[in-house]
Amino acid sequence: DIQMTQSPSTLSASVGDRVTITCRASQSISSWLAWYQQKPGKAPKVLIYTASTLESGVPSRFSGSGSGTEFTLTITSLQPDDFATYYCQQYNSYPRTFGQGTKVEIK
Amino acid sequence: EVQLVESGGGLSQPGGSLRLSCAASGFTVSSNYMSWVRQAPGKGLEWISVIYSGGNTYYADSVQGRFTISRDYSKNTLYLQMNSLRVEDTAVYYCVRDRAGRDNWGQGTLVTVSS
Repeated sequence: DIQMTQSPSTLSASVGDRVTITCRASQSISSWLAWYQQKPGKAPKVLIYTASTLESGVPSRFSGSGSGTEFTLTITSLQPDDFATYYCQQYNSYPRTFGQGTKVEIK
Repeated sequence: EVQLVESGGGLSQPGGSLRLSCAASGFTVSSNYMSWVRQAPGKGLEWISVIYSGGNTYYADSVQGRFTISRDYSKNTLYLQMNSLRVEDTAVYYCVRDRAGRDNWGQGTLVTVSS
């Protein structure tokens, strides 16, 4: 199974901050990586797929980069609606695996 | 519009059984890869099973031999039969249409296993 290691687990930031979350795969997954945002009591929502493609309707302050085993999610100018938990997921192979999650909290 | 609506969650005793359903609309379940993903209270996401469009199935080790994924073409519905339930199976269970990163998710159904 491919292990996904996400960091940090918690991130405290202020509105307007630039935020970066890192995800590392235990083996190469090419660009088969998605980023999800999840709010309490809600299903995850896809933000980015194929590592860097923004899903339709997602604000352009979200961006993704990387390939192989190292990936990042960046939020430029954090907005109040962005305080949530973020997960990376590899879909290179089954079993699909997720990072442990990064909770973005208000500083 | 694509919709996935899970049902069937509830309370079960350890060793009991439950069957979850996921009614789909806006696409054909049997033409897609469909998965179940769960999330224990306060924890992360755990993929547990997939049924391929061709009908093959695959399970996470944590549920292998206890859970069975299936689908009904006429009802356009995905199922998860859960047997020999354990306390650690307590979670919200999500039905997911696998679109290679652009997945569609249901709203989830809560399963609680407790004596």
